[in-house]
Amino acid sequence: DQQVKQNSPSLSVQEGRISILNCDYTNSMFDYFLWYKKYPAEGPTFLISISSIKDKNEDGRFTVFLNKSAKHLSLHIVPSQPGDSAVYFCAASVGNNDMRFGAGTRLTVKP
Amino acid sequence: SQTIHQWPATLVQPVGSPLSLECTVEGTSNPNLYWYRQAAGRGLQLLFYSVGIGQISSEVPQNLSASRPQDRQFILSSKKLLLSDSGFYLCAWGRGRTSGDNEQFFGPGTRLTVL
Repeated sequence: DQQVKQNSPSLSVQEGRISILNCDYTNSMFDYFLWYKKYPAEGPTFLISISSIKDKNEDGRFTVFLNKSAKHLSLHIVPSQPGDSAVYFCAASVGNNDMRFGAGTRLTVKP
Repeated sequence: SQTIHQWPATLVQPVGSPLSLECTVEGTSNPNLYWYRQAAGRGLQLLFYSVGIGQISSEVPQNLSASRPQDRQFILSSKKLLLSDSGFYLCAWGRGRTSGDNEQFFGPGTRLTVL
């Protein structure tokens, strides 16, 4: 079952604009959420995370928002840069080892 | 600093042949280790995880097995590959919740094609 869903397989944004990547989850027990960035033929790299006790976490151009009541989180990238073009995975975890990933969203930032 | 290695980077194998993918971690001790598979157009599916030597937990029933013969070594195996085993296999390590977060660090991956 897909407990973490990224309903947009792709997103195209102009350089300098904001990129908003969305993620929904169904398991209310998830208490830690992460975003990973993945380039082709490479392993994912950690980008940013948020605990369920927060609703926002910011790191430079990247901000993650968590709406627990809606079971929704989003990643904002502003301003978007061509080097941000990659596949972005949303992940959610409960406990020590149970991490579930979404299917990913391919972001293309056009110069 | 910690590093994670996987090999081989790419592999083409015939149906019915055996498989052995290796993953090693450097710069940390007693890590949690994970094997994931990314099938085409799909997310990352957790296959196995290990919290210590000889301790393997399987997430999904499948044609694969895993072993952890040493603290920082994690091996993914199959006796007979199926076409459906094709995919991108990723090894990851993490410190688990005791470290305050649940971040996992991924290796470069192995692209497996079963023909």
